[in-house]
Amino acid sequence: EVQLVESGGVVVQPGGSLRLSCAASGFTFHDYAMHWVRQAPGKGLEWVSLISWDGTSTYYADSVKGRFTISRDNSKNSLYLQMNSLRGEDTAFYYCAKVGAARSSWSHFAYWGQGTLVTVSS
Amino acid sequence: DIQMTQSPSTLSASVGDRVTITCRASQSINTWLAWYQQKPGKAPKLLIYDASNLESGVPLRFRGSGSGTQFTLTISSLQPDDFATYYCQHYHSYSRTFGQGTKVEIK
Repeated sequence: EVQLVESGGVVVQPGGSLRLSCAASGFTFHDYAMHWVRQAPGKGLEWVSLISWDGTSTYYADSVKGRFTISRDNSKNSLYLQMNSLRGEDTAFYYCAKVGAARSSWSHFAYWGQGTLVTVSS
Repeated sequence: DIQMTQSPSTLSASVGDRVTITCRASQSINTWLAWYQQKPGKAPKLLIYDASNLESGVPLRFRGSGSGTQFTLTISSLQPDDFATYYCQHYHSYSRTFGQGTKVEIK
């Protein structure tokens, strides 16, 4: 059974930093591209970042480019999101998601984690 | 970036009704489109991928159609478990834009 478990969400002050983690199990992690998606409370879904299955390619939404860094450790079946220079508008539930097709970045999101809440507030 | 526009934003319907949600892309995305269902406090769940392929385990009352820039999600006979928010999403490029969502409410 595919499982994605996010962690690391806390309350952080504006300008602060945070690293989110996503622990994956139930599939061959190193064969799948992974994404981060966020959702502000009561709002819609916003794509944040993508990392290819081998970690060689990364992409970001304009809203986080230059502040967030996606990475993965295939030896630990883990995905990460380093978040720097945090702003109030970064307050959201952050979900990691696994694509449906192996060794392809151009695929739908087949599985989602349960999400972790990041609150940026003084 | 490709923009995705869903309509309506809110839909009031009764159990047994046929429901249609529309999603329009700002440029052609072929059939690189997925539909997700989200219930309050839960993560989104995949319903349809590649515009018309039903995800395993999803009831047959859900149907996706369309290509290019116009897509629809149809629920043939609305069930109590279907009251939720639905999102479309393209994956034609790396920036995976979502529609703004359609909330299906009980009439």
